[in-house]
Amino acid sequence: DARVTQTPRDKVTEMGQEVTMRCQPILGHNTVFWYRQTMMQGLELLAYFRNRAPLDDSGMPKDRFSAEMPDATLATLKIQPSEPRDSAVYFCASGLSRNTEAFFGQGTRLTVV
Amino acid sequence: GQQVMQIPQYQHVQEGEDFTTYCNSSTTLSNIQWYKQRPGGHPVFLIQLVKSGEVKKQKRLTFQFGEAKKNSSLHITATQTTDVGTYFCAAVTGGGNKLTFGTGTQLKVEL
Repeated sequence: DARVTQTPRDKVTEMGQEVTMRCQPILGHNTVFWYRQTMMQGLELLAYFRNRAPLDDSGMPKDRFSAEMPDATLATLKIQPSEPRDSAVYFCASGLSRNTEAFFGQGTRLTVV
Repeated sequence: GQQVMQIPQYQHVQEGEDFTTYCNSSTTLSNIQWYKQRPGGHPVFLIQLVKSGEVKKQKRLTFQFGEAKKNSSLHITATQTTDVGTYFCAAVTGGGNKLTFGTGTQLKVEL
């Protein structure tokens, strides 16, 4: 049963600490998205990749957020330093190609205290 | 930038009543997708609309894409408690690569 895997599922950290979230897309999918979900802002697109190349990361605060795909089986989203306003659920999703559905992971619930 | 608005933001219905959510984009879309997110869950794909004026049905759900490809709607006939969740439209742009989600409509169904 192919699925997108995200780790960790939950993360509580102190303000100022570095946070790294990981995502394993479905094997063979060449598009990867990172979304942030909050009650106030809904589902915000942070960044997306196609064939491991970043196509658009304009949704990310550049000073503290970074997204990479070291290889086709791993996408990372890093926050350094973290702030309480970063508390949210972060979703990774992958897609097989253009104009196809996105498959979401279970999400990482981040709490910054 | 791309903006996708949905109305209403919330909807409470009695079981058996119909429900409709509307999605409006500030720009013309390549395609539009619809997702459902159950409470505590993650978005799950429902359908994609591609053609201007397209109408698709899935059992009690009817999806429409506007003639100008700037708006869409999802209609649920005779809601059930299993329909509870948040329904999102998602605009496909950027040559088919970019997926921007709407603000969502949260549906609650009461017995």
